[in-house]
Amino acid sequence: ETGVTQSPTHLIKTRGQQVTLRCSSQSGHNTVSWYQQALGQGPQFIFQYYREEENGRGNFPPRFSGLQFPNYSSELNVNALELDDSALYLCASSSRTSGRADEQFFGPGTRLTVL
Amino acid sequence: AQKVTQAQTEISVVEKEDVTLDCVYETRDTTYYLFWYKQPPSGELVFLIRRNSFDEQNEISGRYSWNFQKSTSSFNFTITASQVVDSAVYFCALSEAWGNEKLTFGTGTRLTIIP
Repeated sequence: ETGVTQSPTHLIKTRGQQVTLRCSSQSGHNTVSWYQQALGQGPQFIFQYYREEENGRGNFPPRFSGLQFPNYSSELNVNALELDDSALYLCASSSRTSGRADEQFFGPGTRLTVL
Repeated sequence: AQKVTQAQTEISVVEKEDVTLDCVYETRDTTYYLFWYKQPPSGELVFLIRRNSFDEQNEISGRYSWNFQKSTSSFNFTITASQVVDSAVYFCALSEAWGNEKLTFGTGTRLTIIP
């Protein structure tokens, strides 16, 4: 069974640029959630995708957007990067069958540095 | 709104000592889930336990045990006979029972086991 994978591992961008982060969900999982973890903080929920549609969003501006593909993999896009976007971005996958998804399993994260 | 408080920012204990990590939560939901995750230096969040708000039984898994007390809104985690491999940041998290199950994390407790 393949776990959650994320790419790239590290990324350095400058202010104003755009970035795309990728996540492959664990085998058998159909739901993907994205979290932002600033240094020394707990992860903050960005949004969740289920059946290729956004299924809930945290307190993040519209320049944070996402996609989920038919194979359940997902992308997180951030436009107009700001210095405060520097963080570890974590992807989590889970399996939703009816009503509620099971516990979320996290990938290793992508560390984004904005200069 | 949901909130998780982990008042202990950092804890250091000598190997083989027992250690308890505290977690206090706030929610208006009557049904919810509580979690503990471990984050080693590699950055990946490792799932440890999920507890339903209806189940107040304490749980033991090897050297790990969890004490859930709804009356005090606490979900504490104890490691018995600590080992160096237990060194990590530990996060307590809370999610609603329905909807998109977004996780609300505490700020984490950095545990260092001294050999």
